[in-house]
Amino acid sequence: QQKVQQSPESLIVPEGAMTSLNCTFSDSASQYFAWYRQHSGKAPKALMSIFSNGEKEEGRFTIHLNKASLHFSLHIRDSQPSDSALYLCAHTGNYKYVFGAGTRLKVIA
Amino acid sequence: EAAVTQSPRNKVAVTGGKVTLSCNQTNNHNNMYWYRQDTGHGLRLIHYSYGAGSTEKGDIPDGYKASRPSQENFSLILELATPSQTSVYFCASGDPGLGSAETLYFGSGTRLTVL
Repeated sequence: QQKVQQSPESLIVPEGAMTSLNCTFSDSASQYFAWYRQHSGKAPKALMSIFSNGEKEEGRFTIHLNKASLHFSLHIRDSQPSDSALYLCAHTGNYKYVFGAGTRLKVIA
Repeated sequence: EAAVTQSPRNKVAVTGGKVTLSCNQTNNHNNMYWYRQDTGHGLRLIHYSYGAGSTEKGDIPDGYKASRPSQENFSLILELATPSQTSVYFCASGDPGLGSAETLYFGSGTRLTVL
């Protein structure tokens, strides 16, 4: 069974800081990689996805994928209190996403 | 944006009882999924479907059945509910775009408590 490990489990950062979230996966054949964000009591919502090695930037968010090291990361520049949420990484190879347990981020003003 | 509606939002059931969780999507997506979310485990896949009439076992299917009678509707059935099935259940729909990753659209979840 494919596994996804996320670190850290939780994180508290001050407003304006750079936040880095990490994900390690077990299947090098995985094709697509995504980050989902879930605010407290709400549904998970897709944030960004990537399917080839490298980086992708959208606004304050950057994702980085390295299939050789089985590592996938999310970086949030200028973190805001509204970024406080549970962040879930996921990967898929056969139309089935496998999710990590999540990193709970709190950004304090 | 894609719309996925789950019902009920909250459910309290007794051990041994039958529970049906319903999900409806209006986006004509072929794929639908049932996940449960527990602290420390993230989202775990229970059952999924590629279209009307199809159901497939996910990673933790034991104790659950699924039904996909139409493109829009996907149900999760607990024939004999147990306290270990107390959780928050999410339904999602998605369609793998040509050459791009599938985006999952989640419903608001059903909080199930089995006493």
